[in-house]
Amino acid sequence: SSELTQDPAVSVALGQTVRLTCQGDILRRFLASWYQQKPGQAPRLVMYAENNRPSGIAERFSGSHSGDIATLTVTGTQAEDEADYYCNSRDNNGIHMFGGGTKLTVL
Amino acid sequence: EVQLVQSGAEVKEPGESLRISCRCSGFDFTSYWIAWVRQKPGKGLEFMGIIYPGDTETIYSPTFRGQVTISVDKSARTALLDWNSLQVSDTATYYCARRLYSTGWHWFDPWGQGTLVTVSS
Repeated sequence: SSELTQDPAVSVALGQTVRLTCQGDILRRFLASWYQQKPGQAPRLVMYAENNRPSGIAERFSGSHSGDIATLTVTGTQAEDEADYYCNSRDNNGIHMFGGGTKLTVL
Repeated sequence: EVQLVQSGAEVKEPGESLRISCRCSGFDFTSYWIAWVRQKPGKGLEFMGIIYPGDTETIYSPTFRGQVTISVDKSARTALLDWNSLQVSDTATYYCARRLYSTGWHWFDPWGQGTLVTVSS
């Protein structure tokens, strides 16, 4: 299918590691990118091309990919990482799609 | 500095038309795809469509095809999103974003600040 599935909500203790996943058939062809969105703000790119961080994104963010699953890992999660996270990819027709988003809560 | 600056918030009544804009600077406008993304209140991101200003090739998500029109004003380095007849269900924040590309990889960076469109009678 041309859908991307994410867990709606994930929680993590401060300083611990959390893995956010994104699953979809289209990921077998086109890799995912990841976006962080905090309340009242525009989305911000945090990961692209499997494991590339844009300038300004903390090193604790990393990405990986296997088959139809993309994973965004936050190692040593900080309070400021609490946000909604969306994955994105595209199909063979050039139509992009976002996952439903994961609300990350830092305890 | 690469920037996408969107037009301001709009309040419209059902049936009215609307155009919102995304002014691009700091990069070759004609060489990058520009996407539009909808976010309804409290909901997730939805890809609406994408346009290549160089030749105005446009790809719409099936959900939005026929509902909106995506275009560009090359001289103004601006991407445009038009509605002919707004509905209450169009109430949302709309974002534009530049798409970058490498073989097998696509990503959106940066994003505009968003334009809140409120449709209410």
